[in-house]
Amino acid sequence: QVQLQESGPGLVKPSQTLSLTCTVSGDSISSTTYYWNWIRQPAGKGLEWIGRIYTSGDTKYNPSLQSRLTISVDTSKNQFSLELTSVTAADTAVYYCARGKKFGGWFDPWGQGTLVTVSS
Amino acid sequence: DIQMTQSPSALSASVGDKITITCRASQSIKTWLAWYQQKPGKAPKLLIYKASSLEGGVPSRFSGSGSGTEFSLTISSLQPDDFATYYCQQYNTDAPYTFGQGTKLEIK
Repeated sequence: QVQLQESGPGLVKPSQTLSLTCTVSGDSISSTTYYWNWIRQPAGKGLEWIGRIYTSGDTKYNPSLQSRLTISVDTSKNQFSLELTSVTAADTAVYYCARGKKFGGWFDPWGQGTLVTVSS
Repeated sequence: DIQMTQSPSALSASVGDKITITCRASQSIKTWLAWYQQKPGKAPKLLIYKASSLEGGVPSRFSGSGSGTEFSLTISSLQPDDFATYYCQQYNTDAPYTFGQGTKLEIK
């Protein structure tokens, strides 16, 4: 059974960098079948796709976040990570990692999500 | 970006009812559409992919249809466990993927 688990600080100060890691179990992040994605959801609002990475390190980012965003992969640890710089209160959200079909685009499964609050 | 618009935004229904949620895309996405169910405090759960393919383990009372710009999710006979928020998601373009704003299904 594939499981994803997000980890990282729950509180980040404005203008600083938000860093999260997703640990994958039950599947290899080196699989050529899947992309590995980050998605976020502000409280009471809808879902926003942040970006994705492939085992090769190839990335695709949401243009709205691209200038502040880096997604990386560590195949030795079966993890992928998110860094979002210069955060503001608008970046406060639950952040999810999710596996996405390479020749598809739907997300399954998802991690349980982690709340990140941007506040001084 | 492709905009996804769901209707209604909220819906009240009773156990046993048949309901339909609509999702419209701002341009054709062929059948590159997924539906998710989300309960409070939980991650979204995949229900349908490729507009009409039922994910394994999802009850057959859920069905999806549509192509191009108009899609629907139907629940044939609502069960207590079905009261949740539903999202559509397009993956026609090679990113950015986009979601509808959600439809909250509440018990009448």
